[in-house]
Amino acid sequence: GQQLNQSPQSMFIQEGEDVSMNCTSSSIFNTWLWYKQDPGEGPVLLIALYKAGELTSNGRLTAQFGITRKDSFLNISASIPSDVGIYFCAGQLEIQGAQKLVFGQGTRLTINP
Amino acid sequence: EAGVAQSPRYKIIEKRQSVAFWCNPISGHATLYWYQQILGQGPKLLIQFQNNGVVDDSQLPKDRFSAERLKGVDSTLKIQPAKLEDSAVYLCATEGESANEQFFGPGTRLTVL
Repeated sequence: GQQLNQSPQSMFIQEGEDVSMNCTSSSIFNTWLWYKQDPGEGPVLLIALYKAGELTSNGRLTAQFGITRKDSFLNISASIPSDVGIYFCAGQLEIQGAQKLVFGQGTRLTINP
Repeated sequence: EAGVAQSPRYKIIEKRQSVAFWCNPISGHATLYWYQQILGQGPKLLIQFQNNGVVDDSQLPKDRFSAERLKGVDSTLKIQPAKLEDSAVYLCATEGESANEQFFGPGTRLTVL
């Protein structure tokens, strides 16, 4: 089945630093999505990418849909304490007429003030 | 707009017992998903409904898991009998007709002892 390899698994940074994480797969996806999950909550969508090569920003967040459609990265600039959480990439593809999301294993971000 | 509601938020049971989770989607959202999220992993799709019909249940362990969405609104997920490895957070997500985004509920954390 489809699998996503997300790295790094965890990051420990200082407030104000930039963050970069990525996802790769052997499968091609139609859409790449990046979610953030806080403790005790469900994932919340941060950025959606719909076209190969697309570069999209949402405030301090920037994400790109890889040209091969098999990878994506997420950058966070000038990190702040509320950026702490677990970030998931997800690839979306259509199987038998249904849209299916496949999630990476997550990147846990910890910020030292 | 109210979000996806799930209950209970926490459940502790012994192995071989039965348990049921409930999800109330965002009003008007036709597509409903149940995910299993094991600690340290990303969500994994269990079943997808379109209104009251099952679209994809290929990853649902049907010998012990069942789900229904009788009137195309609320949904229940049941485990009978539970095993230790079923300990996880069970997330419900819903999607509207026009939006290409899944909205997640806060999840039910299940602990099987």
